[in-house]
Amino acid sequence: GIQVEQSPPDLILQEGANSTLRCNFSDSVNNLQWFHQNPWGQLINLFYIPSGTKQNGRLSATTVATERYSLLYISSSQTTDSGVYFCAAYSGGSNYKLTFGKGTLLTVNP
Amino acid sequence: GAGVSQSPSNKVTEKGKDVELRCDPISGHTALYWYRQSLGQGLEFLIYFQGNSAPDKSGLPSDRFSAERTGGSVSTLTIQRTQQEDSAVYLCASSKGGGGQPQHFGDGTRLSIL
Repeated sequence: GIQVEQSPPDLILQEGANSTLRCNFSDSVNNLQWFHQNPWGQLINLFYIPSGTKQNGRLSATTVATERYSLLYISSSQTTDSGVYFCAAYSGGSNYKLTFGKGTLLTVNP
Repeated sequence: GAGVSQSPSNKVTEKGKDVELRCDPISGHTALYWYRQSLGQGLEFLIYFQGNSAPDKSGLPSDRFSAERTGGSVSTLTIQRTQQEDSAVYLCASSKGGGGQPQHFGDGTRLSIL
């Protein structure tokens, strides 16, 4: 099955800083999603982005499907951005399951 | 409802007991998924339903796990004779269809086996 790797595993920022999170995947994808898991454990949809670029406020994402990677950009980070960011991908198969990376733990300090 | 609803939000039970977890998907979503998040294993896929059918049950970790979906809506995940390694957060997701449609997750059920 598809392999999903995220980097860096941990990231510590000062409030106001920018950051880039990376997701590499081993196969072509039909679905690629970015999630934020907040400290309460809720998994929040950020982007559905199997290809192209999207923006939502201070967050944006780009997937270059031909090169098998996706990037999540966080600008002007806030303490509420803290948590784990997951990339998940589906590349085919009858069960449509998402394969998750191990996540990036982001800590934003005031 | 507006989102995927799961109940209970927390469940503590003794080893050997049976537990039943419930998922109510977003209205109109035909596809439903169960995942498990545990400390050592990350987020892993358990089972997928299209309508009331589960074409592939190979993700279920043992024969103590079973799931069903009725009326193309609510799903239950049942764990029989619970073991301590079953402790995890069980997450349910739904999507409009299969084939790579975006999946929307509920808040999960945190299961603790004593």
